Amino acid sequence: GENVEQHPSTLSVQEGDSAVIKCTYSDSASNYFPWYKQELGKGPQLIIDIRSNVGEKKDQRIAVTLNKTAKHFSLHITETQPEDSAVYFCAATLYSGAGSYQLTFGKGTKLSVIP
Amino acid sequence: AAGVIQSPRHLIKEKRETATLKCYPIPRHDTVYWYQQGPGQDPQFLISFYEKMQSDKGSIPDRFSAQQFSDYHSELNMSSLELGDSALYFCASSFRDRGLEQYFGPGTRLTVT
Repeated sequence: GENVEQHPSTLSVQEGDSAVIKCTYSDSASNYFPWYKQELGKGPQLIIDIRSNVGEKKDQRIAVTLNKTAKHFSLHITETQPEDSAVYFCAATLYSGAGSYQLTFGKGTKLSVIP
Repeated sequence: AAGVIQSPRHLIKEKRETATLKCYPIPRHDTVYWYQQGPGQDPQFLISFYEKMQSDKGSIPDRFSAQQFSDYHSELNMSSLELGDSALYFCASSFRDRGLEQYFGPGTRLTVT
């Protein structure tokens, strides 16, 4: 099965600085890589995603890059704000048949933005 | 926009009791996924349904079962509860034509005492 590793496990940045979270995956058949933000007591919220035929995607202050050869993808948050503080999960997706796509998550990164 | 609805939001049960968690997917979404998240852990895939049929199975204990009904809502039934079943249970839904994007509900916090 798929295995996703995520680093770092915790990250503290000053407000306005950038934050970078990195993930690697093991199964070359994975073709979709979403990032989720989870605030305390809430469900994971999809914030950005990238498909295997794209190398980079940007949405305002958030960007994601994908290196298929290295099986590596990263989340970049610029101009961080206190409300960016949360746990961020990367995930890799394998088609598991019958219309179902199984998500395998990384262990998460707790991001703290210090005002 | 409508989101995934889960009920109840909190549930307290004793060991060996039974619990039923409900999930109402986003309208028109035909695929439902169940995940379990322990404290400080990442969500672990349990089971999924597409068009009311089980489509994939993950690390779901034999004590647990689930189904998807004709209106696409899903229920996760948990029997002979153990202390280790205490966790957040999330339901996510997706639409077949855009099946890669899964949208999560707010979760049900199950506490087994």
